[in-house]
Amino acid sequence: AQSVTQLDSQVPVFEEAPVELRCNYSSSVSVYLFWYVQYPNQGLQLLLKYLSGSTLVKGINGFEAEFNKSQTSFHLRKPSVHISDTAEYFCAVSDRGNYQLIWGAGTKLIIKP
Amino acid sequence: ETGVTQSPTHLIKTRGQQVTLRCSSQSGHNTVSWYQQALGQGPQFIFQYYREEENGRGNFPPRFSGLQFPNYSSELNVNALELDDSALYLCASSLLGTWGGEQFFGPGTRLTVL
Repeated sequence: AQSVTQLDSQVPVFEEAPVELRCNYSSSVSVYLFWYVQYPNQGLQLLLKYLSGSTLVKGINGFEAEFNKSQTSFHLRKPSVHISDTAEYFCAVSDRGNYQLIWGAGTKLIIKP
Repeated sequence: ETGVTQSPTHLIKTRGQQVTLRCSSQSGHNTVSWYQQALGQGPQFIFQYYREEENGRGNFPPRFSGLQFPNYSSELNVNALELDDSALYLCASSLLGTWGGEQFFGPGTRLTVL
């Protein structure tokens, strides 16, 4: 069965510094990959998704992610973070043909002024 | 365009009681998925409804049940509440047939079981 690992429960980073949030999934079968963001006391919002094609995916708010099939990874990056990026970030995976999303445990991004 | 709405926002119940949570889909969407998010964890898939039929279910017992109505709104019912059912319950709507498409989430219902 598919599983998703987000290795870091919290990532503290200074404002305007770059950040990488890591995500690994278990199965190498064809997958769809997603990153969602959850701001405090709000629902989940899609940041970006990988369906097929280019392995570098650009999303909203300056985030991007790279799909690496050999390493079964889909790490999220931003070159310069802002205080407004403070939130929890979730990686999710779906096997193609299966509409069920499998989620990681989340990574809290903490921006230090 | 109206987004996904959920009611109520907060709910407190006691063990053994029953609860009904409600979700209104985004306009034009025909599919609703329900998730349970325990504190400090990622969402866990409960089930999905498409055209009023269950279209996939996660690892949840039968006391978790659902309905989807002709207007694509949905209910999640939980019977015989247990303390571990305390969580944020999220509803997401999407348009089946455009997979790879986005699931749009509501703000959630925070359920506390005492």
